[in-house]
Amino acid sequence: DAGITQSPRHKVTETGTPVTLRCHQTENHRYMYWYRQDPGHGLRLIHYSYGVKDTDKGEVSDGYSVSRSKTEDFLLTLESATSSQTSVYFCAISDPQAPQHFGDGTRLSIL
Amino acid sequence: DQQVKQNSPSLSVQEGRISILNCDYTNSMFDYFLWYKKYPAEGPTFLISISSIKDKNEDGRFTVFLNKSAKHLSLHIVPSQPGDSAVYLCAASARSGTYKYIFGTGTRLKVLA
Repeated sequence: DAGITQSPRHKVTETGTPVTLRCHQTENHRYMYWYRQDPGHGLRLIHYSYGVKDTDKGEVSDGYSVSRSKTEDFLLTLESATSSQTSVYFCAISDPQAPQHFGDGTRLSIL
Repeated sequence: DQQVKQNSPSLSVQEGRISILNCDYTNSMFDYFLWYKKYPAEGPTFLISISSIKDKNEDGRFTVFLNKSAKHLSLHIVPSQPGDSAVYLCAASARSGTYKYIFGTGTRLKVLA
């Protein structure tokens, strides 16, 4: 989707290092979400934001933090990466009462 | 505890025939349901949705049916085409809340030419 950009698209890092993933939107949507996708689990919500500086936890938030200082950017940070956080991470955006639209994902490998 | 279940990991269908993908949910607070299509190395793409006030929604070759008493929804694709081969994700939400979705684990559809 041209309105959502995730960066980086791929990253390999070592256990214990900090990692930040970025989601950038050009659609001016109010809601932004971070999911992870793992085999056998489908997409699981990590954190979401319902406005600038307004964020809340999802179902798998342990080990992750987020920040949203402006409408267009939503950052996901792994303070000290662990191997269990190896996954594909997807960002999504939406307006109230509208379907979420997804970015193309970030493949993160933690060795 | 999976609130949204897609019990068939995979499905194969001949081109031109009907594909039926199923999804079950357990939370009676869900009132909005969606289907997404996902190709490898891409993000999910929104396909079709249905509100709990309806029992059917149609968009071209795609129709979603909702049976609230059975807590079951299905996606029908007629006729199926090879380009429909993808993973289909079912999602549910309680729209009066925070618009968070709960996703199923997906069904991989393969349409055979």
